[in-house]
Amino acid sequence: EAQVTQNPRYLITVTGKKLTVTCSQNMNHEYMSWYRQDPGLGLRQIYYSMNVEVTDKGDVPEGYKVSRKEKRNFPLILESPSPNQTSLYFCASSFNRDRGPTEAFFGQGTRLTVV
Amino acid sequence: AQSVTQLGSHVSVSEGALVLLRCNYSSSVPPYLFWYVQYPNQGLQLLLKYTSAATLVKGINGFEAEFKKSETSFHLTKPSAHMSDAAEYFCAVSLIQGAQKLVFGQGTRLTINP
Repeated sequence: EAQVTQNPRYLITVTGKKLTVTCSQNMNHEYMSWYRQDPGLGLRQIYYSMNVEVTDKGDVPEGYKVSRKEKRNFPLILESPSPNQTSLYFCASSFNRDRGPTEAFFGQGTRLTVV
Repeated sequence: AQSVTQLGSHVSVSEGALVLLRCNYSSSVPPYLFWYVQYPNQGLQLLLKYTSAATLVKGINGFEAEFKKSETSFHLTKPSAHMSDAAEYFCAVSLIQGAQKLVFGQGTRLTINP
């Protein structure tokens, strides 16, 4: 089954404690992205990657890091989480080079609470 | 820069009534447009997409949307609402066909009254 898998689904952490949210896709997509969803603001892009070792900032990158060492994986790293990073996070992937442009496929989301 | 505005953060309709969710976009070039649906505690699922082919786009679950360039709109409609349509709906725009950078509206929560 084609899917984007995020882990964990729920996470409560304390301010300043480094954490990583993993994301993996099995569709051989070139592009992967991270979004955060906040009430009344919709989804906003944090970072995206168009290829292995190629990443770029989205609209709200402050306080986040990403890496793309393998095509299928795109972890989101919070080096020193703060309460304003409490949010619902989504990983997405798109574009299969053999099949052409596709829409974005989304993971199930990770609800992060920073206390 | 492109942007998306969804008119109405909450829309409530009766079961069997017409559903109309409004989306207006701004873009300097012809955009790619999407509607996604989010059910509680789930990720986003694509309803339909406009990629410069037919202006009237049909999607899943009986939804459709019409791209109107002159009005910069991409409103989502369904002739007859069903209880299972209750969810949050997001309109999104991308300038690039690969959809690696989506700009979303703020979302519209649809409630269906029995």
